[in-house]
Amino acid sequence: EVQLVESGGGLVKPGRSLRLSCTASGFIFGDYGMTWFRQAPGKGLEWVGFIGSKTFGETAEYAASVRGRFTISRDDSKSIAYLQMNSLKTEDTAVYYCARARFYGGRRLYFDYWGQGTLVTVSS
Amino acid sequence: DIQMTQSPSSLSASVGDRVTITCRASQSISGYLNWFQQRPGKAPKLLIYAASSLQSGVPSRFSGSGSGTDFTLTISSLQPEDFATYYCQQSYSSPPVTFGGGTKVEIK
Repeated sequence: EVQLVESGGGLVKPGRSLRLSCTASGFIFGDYGMTWFRQAPGKGLEWVGFIGSKTFGETAEYAASVRGRFTISRDDSKSIAYLQMNSLKTEDTAVYYCARARFYGGRRLYFDYWGQGTLVTVSS
Repeated sequence: DIQMTQSPSSLSASVGDRVTITCRASQSISGYLNWFQQRPGKAPKLLIYAASSLQSGVPSRFSGSGSGTDFTLTISSLQPEDFATYYCQQSYSSPPVTFGGGTKVEIK
């Protein structure tokens, strides 16, 4: 059974850093790209970023709103994807989800399994 | 970035009703459109990918159609567990992946 479990969320002050983890099981982690999304309280879904598998050079891409502040990485030996969040702002407050990415039609993606999410609150 | 517009933003329906949600893209996205269901306090769940392909394990009362800029999600006979918020998402032009604003399906 495919499972994704996020961890590392919590309360953090503006300007500080936080690292989220997404621990995967039930599939060959190294074969898949991984994606991070977020959802601010009462709002819709926002894509944060993506990291490709080793086959695709572990290329990472980011939403404009987090580019230069957030970094996605992965450790295939541990089946974990990370989201390093620096220079946090109050508007980064959200539930953060990781999801497994699959390709169809070239580099087009869909996201078939999601974790339960972890809440990040940025407040002084 | 491609903008995705869903309508309606909310609707009230009864168990057994046929429900249709529409999603419009700001430019053609071919068939690269996915639909998700999100129950309160839960993670999104993939229902439909590539506009009309039913994700494994999803009940057949859910169906998707469309191509280009206009897409629909249909629930043929609404069940109690279907009361949730539904999102469309395009991946034709990414990054970034973009979502519609959501459609909340409530009990009448």
